[in-house]
Amino acid sequence: RKEVEQDPGPFNVPEGATVAFNCTYSNSASQSFFWYRQDCRKEPKLLMSVYSSGNEDGRFTAQLNRASQYISLLIRDSKLSDSATYLCVVVVGFKTIFGAGTRLFVKA
Amino acid sequence: GAVVSQHPSRVICKSGTSVKIECRSLDFQATTMFWYRQFPKQSLMLMATSNEGSKATYEQGVEKDKFLINHASLTLSTLTVTSAHPEDSSFYICSASGLAGGWDTQYFGPGTRLTVL
Repeated sequence: RKEVEQDPGPFNVPEGATVAFNCTYSNSASQSFFWYRQDCRKEPKLLMSVYSSGNEDGRFTAQLNRASQYISLLIRDSKLSDSATYLCVVVVGFKTIFGAGTRLFVKA
Repeated sequence: GAVVSQHPSRVICKSGTSVKIECRSLDFQATTMFWYRQFPKQSLMLMATSNEGSKATYEQGVEKDKFLINHASLTLSTLTVTSAHPEDSSFYICSASGLAGGWDTQYFGPGTRLTVL
């Protein structure tokens, strides 16, 4: 079983749609969680941190469920510019583990 | 956010040559730097972690003698791909963290696209 698993997609959604990404992790000792966004042929950029209490930034909401070892990212009112690969990132000790990413295509 | 630069952004070289990639943190002291490689449509693969002034810690399967990493200062780390071969062609990305001995938010460089002919 992979340490961090994501649905690879692709997710094809129309503009304005709400889309949710899920991510599961296997190590219960994981202590930090993040979502990164990566555009084609570019480096990953931090989108947001994920906390048990939830974290909202504009149209983006991230949630952590430690009991289920599950992380989610919700994007509301999708924009064309949201098209990218979204990487789930888990930190265990000094080790950073990236998920394989979920590809999102938002269409007009 | 913090800025990390990489140079060069793109390099094409002949098989057998060595290529050096620089990673610089421009506005903060990076006690830890990470080097990743990424193949098309795949996720990042951590190659090694380096702390300033000490030897890099390589991930399993990464050849230390082939991928030489130097982290000589708090703002600069270099990755040298020695005797490059076509299978080394990839996207190499560095990231920097400012928390000594641990992990903080990683800031990524723009990446270097290496093509070995």
